[in-house]
Amino acid sequence: QKEVEQDPGPLSVPEGAIVSLNCTYSNSAFQYFMWYRQYSRKGPELLMYTYSSGNKEDGRFTAQVDKSSKYISLFIRDSQPSDSATYLCAMSARSGGSNYKLTFGKGTLLTVNP
Amino acid sequence: GAVVSQHPSWVICKSGTSVKIECRSLDFQATTMFWYRQFPKQSLMLMATSNEGSKATYEQGVEKDKFLINHASLTLSTLTVTSAHPEDSSFYICSAENRLAGAYEQFFGPGTRLTVL
Repeated sequence: QKEVEQDPGPLSVPEGAIVSLNCTYSNSAFQYFMWYRQYSRKGPELLMYTYSSGNKEDGRFTAQVDKSSKYISLFIRDSQPSDSATYLCAMSARSGGSNYKLTFGKGTLLTVNP
Repeated sequence: GAVVSQHPSWVICKSGTSVKIECRSLDFQATTMFWYRQFPKQSLMLMATSNEGSKATYEQGVEKDKFLINHASLTLSTLTVTSAHPEDSSFYICSAENRLAGAYEQFFGPGTRLTVL
């Protein structure tokens, strides 16, 4: 079993739809949970990060963490064509000393159709 | 703020040659830099972690003699792919972190696409 599981999609939705993206994980040592957006041939861009279980909202984006179920989600409201990208979940655990290491999911390719 | 650049953005080289990729933090001091590799339609795989002034820590399965990492200053890290072969063709991405700003925020560069002929 991989440490982080993410459905690669692809996921295609109409403009204005609510998008739900999910990841599960197996490593209880993960402490920080992030969502990145990556456009084709570009580096990842941090969208959201959370530390504790619960919800965190930023504009049209809501990140949700359920540590008891080892499950995280990203919701996108009123999706726009510009949201079309690959969304990567990532989780951070201490890797030794003071270093933290990110483990990424495979990414979900999202297309929002006008 | 928190901008990370990489140079070159793409490179094509012949098999057996060495290629150097630079990663710079433009507006903050990067106490730690990370190097990732991403194959098509795959996720980012961490290759190594480097703290400024220290030797890099390589992930299991990554050859440290093949992928030389230098992090001599707080704003610059370099990855040298030595004696590159076609199987080294990939998208290489660096990230930088300011330990003083928090342990969870890594800022990523735009990536370097390496093609080895």
